[in-house]
Formats: sequence, structure tokens, C-alpha cells
Amino acid sequence: KNQVEQSPQSLIILEGKNCTLQCNYTVSPFSNLRWYKQDTGRGPVSLTIMTFSENTKSNGRYTATLDADTKQSSLHITASQLSDSASYICVVADRGSTLGRLYFGRGTQLTVWP
Amino acid sequence: EADIYQTPRYLVIGTGKKITLECSQTMGHDKMYWYQQDPGMELHLIHYSYGVNSTEKGDLSSESTVSRIRTEHFPLTLESARPSHTSQYLCASSRSLSVTNEKLFFGSGTQLSVL
Repeated sequence: KNQVEQSPQSLIILEGKNCTLQCNYTVSPFSNLRWYKQDTGRGPVSLTIMTFSENTKSNGRYTATLDADTKQSSLHITASQLSDSASYICVVADRGSTLGRLYFGRGTQLTVWP
Repeated sequence: EADIYQTPRYLVIGTGKKITLECSQTMGHDKMYWYQQDPGMELHLIHYSYGVNSTEKGDLSSESTVSRIRTEHFPLTLESARPSHTSQYLCASSRSLSVTNEKLFFGSGTQLSVL
């Protein structure tokens, strides 16, 4: 069964600290992995998209890594800011059909305290 | 910044009422989607469209219906709302028919509460 599991479910850190969010998946055949940021009451916004051949990608203070062999990804946030408080969603796309399909994780709820 | 808009942002309505959630995008995207999301849970695809006059049901069974008469507009309708329909509804779009390498752009969502 194709699944995407994220950990931790929630995380609280102090402003200025770094943190790492985890994503494990069983989706096959794999096409790409995406990280989205979703502010409370808003729609998700794309942070990164990584294909099989990419093992790291950065977007400002956000750095995503991908290990396609172990089917794991992480999202590292550097020097956290209050505005980083949000849910971070891992999404995996398959290539099992012409049009592909997306599998969503439940997200990690990050809270940054001053 | 994504040019995809949903209205209303919040809707509180009584059981049995008919409602339509609006979604419009100005990016000329062919593919559009409706997702349902409950607190702390993953997004579930309920409807999608490849283009004008194309509509398909998603993975999650839904009593809602959709239409795609114009490229930019993808409204979702509930003929008779029930408390079990209480949820957040997210509209999204992407440029190409293949979701494999295309980024999804999401609207801000409609939070529906049925009393």
C-alpha cells in the first residue's frame, strides 16, 4: 500500500534554532517528492520538488534531502523565524500511470516560540 | 504568489441547504482539483478535471459534484449539506495534465461548517 508517514507529528522550537522534519514513504514506482508549507487556514505552498536523481535541494532557509534507496526525506529549517510556524506536508508522486498520482502525508505542525 | 482564488473563505450553513464553493484561476492551467482536508489529516482528492467539459471523481467518495464550463472556473456543489460535510475544501491547479513533475498551486481554501 502506498503511504507517506511524517514525524514528528508536532514540534515546538525557539526562534533562531534549527530543526529537521522527517518523511518516510512506500510509494512505488517513485517519481518525485515535494515539501509544502501550509499556514493555518490557508492552502499549501510549494517549497521544493525533488526527483529520483536529486538528493538535496534548498529554498532559502529550507533544505530538503532525499534518499531514494531508503525512501526517506528530511526538511531542515535553519535559524527558525516566527513565520515558520505552520504545518509542513510531505507529498510523493508516483509514475505508475501516464498522469501520475500524489500521496500526501498528514504533516508536521511546527510552532516557533519567541 | 498563486493566482487561484476561492470563495467564500468561511461558510456556516444549516443542514439540507444547497451550496456552491467557487474556485477560479487566472494562470490558464488545464488541470484543476478539489481536495478535502480535516484537521491533522492528509489531503484527500475528491474531484479533478483535465480541461473544459472534463470532470472525474477522485480517491475519496464525495456527495459533491463539479463542473468545468470554462478553463478558469471549477465550482463544487453540494445539493444537500449535512454535518458530515464539515471540512476544509481546497482547490488547486497545475499547468500540465501529468502531475508527475508539475507544481500544484493551491487556493486559500473554504472552511465549511454545516450545523
